[in-house]
Amino acid sequence: QVQLVQSGAEMKNPGASVRVSCKASGYPFTGYSIIWVRQAPGQGLEWMGGISPYNDNAKYVQTLQGRITVTTDTSTNTAYMELRSLTTDDTAVYFCARRGNGASFDSWGQGTLVTVSS
Amino acid sequence: QSALTQPASVSGSPGQSITISCTGISSDVGSYNLVSWYQQHPGKVPKLIIYEVNKRPSGVSHRFSGSKSGNTASLTISGLQAADEADYYCCSYAGFWVFGGGTKLTVL
Repeated sequence: QVQLVQSGAEMKNPGASVRVSCKASGYPFTGYSIIWVRQAPGQGLEWMGGISPYNDNAKYVQTLQGRITVTTDTSTNTAYMELRSLTTDDTAVYFCARRGNGASFDSWGQGTLVTVSS
Repeated sequence: QSALTQPASVSGSPGQSITISCTGISSDVGSYNLVSWYQQHPGKVPKLIIYEVNKRPSGVSHRFSGSKSGNTASLTISGLQAADEADYYCCSYAGFWVFGGGTKLTVL
């Protein structure tokens, strides 16, 4: 079965960077894009960006351009999301998900809590 | 890249039907039949319940249905059950993706 397993919770100081991993299994990794979504405490879902493991073509939301990089490692079927210059506003649960039919997100990782605090 | 507009909350009694609207603009909801809906229970991972406006993934109840007219998509839940109480998010593809702000469904 399709499974996305994310790395554990992180605590960072303002100005630092964080990298979250998302290991995929149960399907051909290069056949489906991976997207990243975050959810601040008590808030809604925000699409951050996504990448095709087939050709490394990546897209990012305008508001995070310059601070976010998503990558994949096809040898380990793992996607990564790096966010730099963290502020307290970046405190959120970060999800990876698989892009399925009709540009939907049909399988999700369990989420990774990133806390930014001094 | 503005968020899609959803009502903050809706409510209904068990057995009733409710509809959640999701309003975008001509370049997102209005241009693509690529609207999806997600159900999220508190502290849980979002779950896909509708894709391509009105299609249900395998295993999703027939009580969930979707539609679209112009720049507005809608999710209807019929035969409300207590387990339907959750947050619901719409999402549209527009060359990138944009979510709605979410709607909290309360089953009275």
